[in-house]
Amino acid sequence: QKEVEQDPGPLSVPEGAIVSLNCTYSNSAFQYFMWYRQYSRKGPELLMYTYSSGNKEDGRFTAQVDKSSKYISLFIRDSQPSDSATYLCAMDRGSTLGRLYFGRGTQLTVWP
Amino acid sequence: NAGVTQTPKFQVLKTGQSMTLQCAQDMNHEYMSWYRQDPGMGLRLIHYSVGAGITDQGEVPNGYNVSRSTTEDFPLRLLSAAPSQTSVYFCASSYSITSGSGELFFGEGSRLTVL
Repeated sequence: QKEVEQDPGPLSVPEGAIVSLNCTYSNSAFQYFMWYRQYSRKGPELLMYTYSSGNKEDGRFTAQVDKSSKYISLFIRDSQPSDSATYLCAMDRGSTLGRLYFGRGTQLTVWP
Repeated sequence: NAGVTQTPKFQVLKTGQSMTLQCAQDMNHEYMSWYRQDPGMGLRLIHYSVGAGITDQGEVPNGYNVSRSTTEDFPLRLLSAAPSQTSVYFCASSYSITSGSGELFFGEGSRLTVL
C-alpha cells in the first residue's frame, strides 16, 4: 500500500462547478499537508499548505485536513477553465526536509 | 529571476549511454532534490541534498548519482541508461531544510527517452 493514495481521475466538470479533490494516507506521523498544481508540461507549483488538522481558505480554494480519518481535501469553488491542471497532494512528517510523499495526482478539466 | 533551471529539456539516449541532467537555482536555497514522474506513479524522490557536500538517497536512487559542490548546482548523472529510466525528471529546491516551510520550487522538467 502506498503511503499516500489519490484517485488519478480524470475529472471533468463544467465552469462554475464546485470541485472536490481528495487524498488518503496511512502514516499518522504526517504533520504538513500540501496541494501542488501542475499545468501540462510544466513543473508543479505550491497551491495550498496546511499544518496539522483544520481548514485553510485562499480565495476560491479551501484545503481541509482530518487527521483522525487520515484524509485531506481540496475544494475549488466557481471553477474556471484556467483551473484545468493536475493536482497533487503531498505530505511530510516534520523535522528535516528529507522527502515529501506525493499522491499520484488528479487530472482536472474545467470546460466552458 | 530564473528560479530553477533544468537542462536539457529533451534528450534521447541509447541503452547503456551515460549522461548528466543539469539543475541550477539562483535563490540561494540550501535544499535541492531530484524527482522522476511517471504515468500512474506520481513523483518519486531520487536523491536530495541539504547543502553543499551533503547528499542522500531518496525512494528510487538505483542507477543515478549526484553530487553537490556548490549551493547553486545539483546535477543528476545516469550511469548506464536503461529503458526503465524513460521518464520526466524534475529538479526542486527549497529555502529551508526543515519541514514546515512547505514550498518546493520546481524546474520545468527534463524529458528523457531511453531506447
